[in-house]
Amino acid sequence: SQQGEEDPQALSIQEGENATMNCSYKTSINNLQWYRQNSGRGLVHLILIRSNEREKHSGRLRVTLDTSKKSSSLLITASRAADTASYFCATDDFLGAQKLVFGQGTRLTINP
Amino acid sequence: SQTIHQWPATLVQPVGSPLSLECTVEGTSNPNLYWYRQAAGRGLQLLFYSIGIDQISSEVPQNLSASRPQDRQFILSSKKLLLSDSGFYLCAWAYTGPRTQYFGPGTRLLVL
Repeated sequence: SQQGEEDPQALSIQEGENATMNCSYKTSINNLQWYRQNSGRGLVHLILIRSNEREKHSGRLRVTLDTSKKSSSLLITASRAADTASYFCATDDFLGAQKLVFGQGTRLTINP
Repeated sequence: SQTIHQWPATLVQPVGSPLSLECTVEGTSNPNLYWYRQAAGRGLQLLFYSIGIDQISSEVPQNLSASRPQDRQFILSSKKLLLSDSGFYLCAWAYTGPRTQYFGPGTRLLVL
């Protein structure tokens, strides 16, 4: 099964509101990443948080990591129509294999 | 700066025909390379990854194969396509280690 699982699967909010997406994973990690995918395009890296970090900010993005609960959240503040996309979390392989495991993603729709 | 190319962008192939998708990276040396498949509205499934020339790891048994004839070239192939091979194929590269991955624009494959 997938290492990372996002929740909710789909989210629709009004422009200007905040959007929160959650990710849960099963095994120990070194870091967790969030990616964004516009429809029909490749993924774009948003932010990486290490296992010894609890919170990280980048512009309107805020990521939290709770290793005790094996969960992470991505908060997008003051959403814009251009934020409409799918968002994926990805975890590394703690044992060192050079690959990531992606979740199923959250489809975010920002309504103008 | 680094860039990643994939071609073709779209491909329609009959069942039983061969397949060759190409991915090339510019501006970096000895990258890790990855092939993913994404079904419509779903997450990414890692198919193959490579940490060096002729070093390929297969993640999912299937009728696809991958090759890395040159340092920055990664090829996904099939001798006979199945209907279930339809999907969006993404190539990605990363520096050594399971850190941030950089994705190409993808190839949409439709097998009829």
